[in-house]
Amino acid sequence: GAVVSQHPSRVICKSGTSVKIECRSLDFQATTMFWYRQFPKQSLMLMATSNEGSKATYEQGVEKDKFLINHASLTLSTLTVTSAHPEDSSFYICSATQTGQPQHFGDGTRLSIL
Amino acid sequence: QKEVEQNSGPLSVPEGAIASLNCTYSDRVSQSFFWYRQYSGKSPELIMSIYSNGDKEDGRFTAQLNKASQYVSLLIRDSQPSDSATYLCAVNGMDSSYKLIFGSGTRLLVRP
Repeated sequence: GAVVSQHPSRVICKSGTSVKIECRSLDFQATTMFWYRQFPKQSLMLMATSNEGSKATYEQGVEKDKFLINHASLTLSTLTVTSAHPEDSSFYICSATQTGQPQHFGDGTRLSIL
Repeated sequence: QKEVEQNSGPLSVPEGAIASLNCTYSDRVSQSFFWYRQYSGKSPELIMSIYSNGDKEDGRFTAQLNKASQYVSLLIRDSQPSDSATYLCAVNGMDSSYKLIFGSGTRLLVRP
């Protein structure tokens, strides 16, 4: 149980493109979803916390207008990186949880901006 | 002071040995503690969760929690080369948002 699906697994695109990443909880209803970013050889950095039907809470230093998060249902959250630039290249990982349960992670999306 | 601290390693052990990974945390009110394994280029995978003082065993893995000393550890018995990965300690944050505070991870290398 507790399967989280993330799509796509890899994106390579030109600078200025907007990229949407989907995160789905397949076998449970996620009360909360999280979006992380991880640069090479560094630990996970939390970007935002997303609750179904409400605005995401962004961590300090994360631009909410650049990283748009939509959490339309209890099983789906999306992260859109708007007008991506090479410095946005990173490994983006979502996780999902339900009340009182551990976070389970998706497989991650490797984003490369040329 | 970092909220969750781990030795970055690498911790190198021979195959078949016990690997001991340690983590300390600063927030006394933390209630939930987790160990995640992350292979290079992959996302973290939950290994163990522990919520009360003492030991919790699951197969070759044992998590140990001591809230008074604010440390949590992970023991891996009969270590295998496939256990070679980075192990992340995570502790729940102070607020009710279910956020986790992650340590920077300990890299474990099991030598054949």
